[in-house]
Amino acid sequence: DQQVKQNSPSLSVQEGRISILNCDYTNSMFDYFLWYKKYPAEGPTFLISISSIKDKNEDGRFTVFLNKSAKHLSLHIVPSQPGDSAVYFCAASEAQNNNDMRFGAGTRLTVKP
Amino acid sequence: NAGVMQNPRHLVRRRGQEARLRCSPMKGHSHVYWYRQLPEEGLKFMVYLQKENIIDESGMPKERFSAEFPKEGPSILRIQQVVRGDSAAYFCASTSWGSNTEAFFGQGTRLTVV
Repeated sequence: DQQVKQNSPSLSVQEGRISILNCDYTNSMFDYFLWYKKYPAEGPTFLISISSIKDKNEDGRFTVFLNKSAKHLSLHIVPSQPGDSAVYFCAASEAQNNNDMRFGAGTRLTVKP
Repeated sequence: NAGVMQNPRHLVRRRGQEARLRCSPMKGHSHVYWYRQLPEEGLKFMVYLQKENIIDESGMPKERFSAEFPKEGPSILRIQQVVRGDSAAYFCASTSWGSNTEAFFGQGTRLTVV
């Protein structure tokens, strides 16, 4: 069962504009959410996270928004840069379940110069 | 401080052979996840372990696949009698105990079954 869903397999954005990547989840017990970035032939690297007690977390050009009632989170990148081109994975974990972590299928972001 | 170490980076096996993938977690980390990424697909959860204990193996195929994380030494993902469909990148991630912690990934092992 796919508890974390990223319904857009790809996204193309012009350099300097905003990139918005979306993620939905089904398990209401998830309480910690993360975004990872992955380049080809490398392992995913942690980007930004948010606890369920917050609805927004910002780190430089990256902001994650959480809407618990809609079971939806999004990652905003602004301004987008060509180096941001990668696959972005959304992940969620549940503290009461030993932090068991599930990932979405990923969204491939292409930032065009 | 070494990160998560996976070896080998590349592994070629003939059909029917066994594949052993190793993962050494970051220092101080007590929990390990294994994920599989098939070509052009996302990360699929396989198993979640702590030392000497399997927490969740709901993503593991019922046959031929097994995983362990002994008290000493790396975590091992073992695939017996490999088939072509096992060809994929296998990623390991480790995390420390406690809530609200991110997992750190290794570089992955790319398994090719010929």
